[in-house]
Amino acid sequence: EIQLRQSGAEVKQPGTAVRLSCSISGYTFTDFYLYWVRQAPGQGLQWVGLIDPENGESFYAQNLRGRVTITADTSTDTSYMELSDLTVEDTALYFCALIAGVRGTWGQGTQVTVSS
Amino acid sequence: DIVLTQSPLSLPVIPGEPASISCRSSQSLRHTNGYTYLDWYVQKPGQSPQLLIYLVSNRASGVPDRFSGGGSGTDFTLKISRVEADDVGVYYCMQPLQSPPFGQGTRLEIK
Repeated sequence: EIQLRQSGAEVKQPGTAVRLSCSISGYTFTDFYLYWVRQAPGQGLQWVGLIDPENGESFYAQNLRGRVTITADTSTDTSYMELSDLTVEDTALYFCALIAGVRGTWGQGTQVTVSS
Repeated sequence: DIVLTQSPLSLPVIPGEPASISCRSSQSLRHTNGYTYLDWYVQKPGQSPQLLIYLVSNRASGVPDRFSGGGSGTDFTLKISRVEADDVGVYYCMQPLQSPPFGQGTRLEIK
């Protein structure tokens, strides 16, 4: 069974950074891209970025470029997403996701709240 | 970038009636390997998105046969033959070929 387990909720102050983790099991980590997606309260899904765990190459949404970094640790089958210079507009539920046909699976989400 | 455009964005349906959601891609989703990479997910209230249909027309494990997917190239459709109350949620078409990977979503509600 494929599972994506995400780290716990975070409360951050504006201007700081947050680092989230997504630990996978049930498939070979390096075989598929891993996506990061966020969802602001009451809104739809917004793509954040993705990583190819095989070579560490990452791609980011244009509106977050420069503030987001996605990495993959193949020794622990874990991906990390760091978002810096947080503002209240970054308050959202953050998901990691495997979008890969029959293997399609999403993590449970990590709530990030940015508040002073 | 590939842009996925869904319609309608809101879909009120009477229980027992059919429903249909369209997903149009700005580029063909048929890969050179012959597969067409278009999946459908549903996000029910308070949950993560879950897989319904993969590779255009294949139902994921446990998905009732009321759900069917079809289409080719750039035009795809998700059909629900008889809507039930439990089908309420936001339906997304998704593709892994280029980013961003999903459409705007279609909110299905019960009339």
